[in-house]
Amino acid sequence: KNEVEQSPQNLTAQEGEFITINCSYSVGISALHWLQQHPGGGIVSLFMLSSGKKKHGRLIATINIQEKHSSLHITASHPRDSAVYICAVSRAGTASKLTFGTGTRLQVTL
Amino acid sequence: NAGVTQTPKFQVLKTGQSMTLQCAQDMNHEYMSWYRQDPGMGLRLIHYSVGAGITDQGEVPNGYNVSRSTTEDFPLRLLSAAPSQTSVYFCASSYSARGWNEQFFGPGTRLTVL
Repeated sequence: KNEVEQSPQNLTAQEGEFITINCSYSVGISALHWLQQHPGGGIVSLFMLSSGKKKHGRLIATINIQEKHSSLHITASHPRDSAVYICAVSRAGTASKLTFGTGTRLQVTL
Repeated sequence: NAGVTQTPKFQVLKTGQSMTLQCAQDMNHEYMSWYRQDPGMGLRLIHYSVGAGITDQGEVPNGYNVSRSTTEDFPLRLLSAAPSQTSVYFCASSYSARGWNEQFFGPGTRLTVL
């Protein structure tokens, strides 16, 4: 079993829909990262969080440390949100070394 | 700032050939790392460095060497390429090896080994 699991693997939504991507992990962590990878490959960091909730524009990330679970929400989705969203964890004691989930491929259509 | 740069973007090798993937960052970051990305799998750590002169193995180090003679550069060497090393390779850096920090990724190198 992978230490970081994401669901769903693939997601298709219509423009304007509210989207949720889930991440569960089984190891002790110091932080959780959400990353975005657009077609063409570039990876950018969206959020780092160790507790609670963070918001940036239409993106919201939450984490529940007790349940070892995080969610990434996209409000009012747009075709430009189409990308692969990757969850990664900084394991406790090895903060800069990340363990990655396999990603969620999101397609937003008009 | 250019951020994290990688060269080449694409490379085709024959089995047994050697090559070096270049990675450089201009942000004076302490921590640098190499990952490979394969279909259906998450990114996996190959090697990492917590500062000039200090490197260590990650999850999948076999067949790869690294060195870090300067803060800026962290090249990845394939000693004798094998088809199993066909993958997309990403270099990343972050400000510090201590604590948790935003990771900055290079654009990737797509490597095919025939």
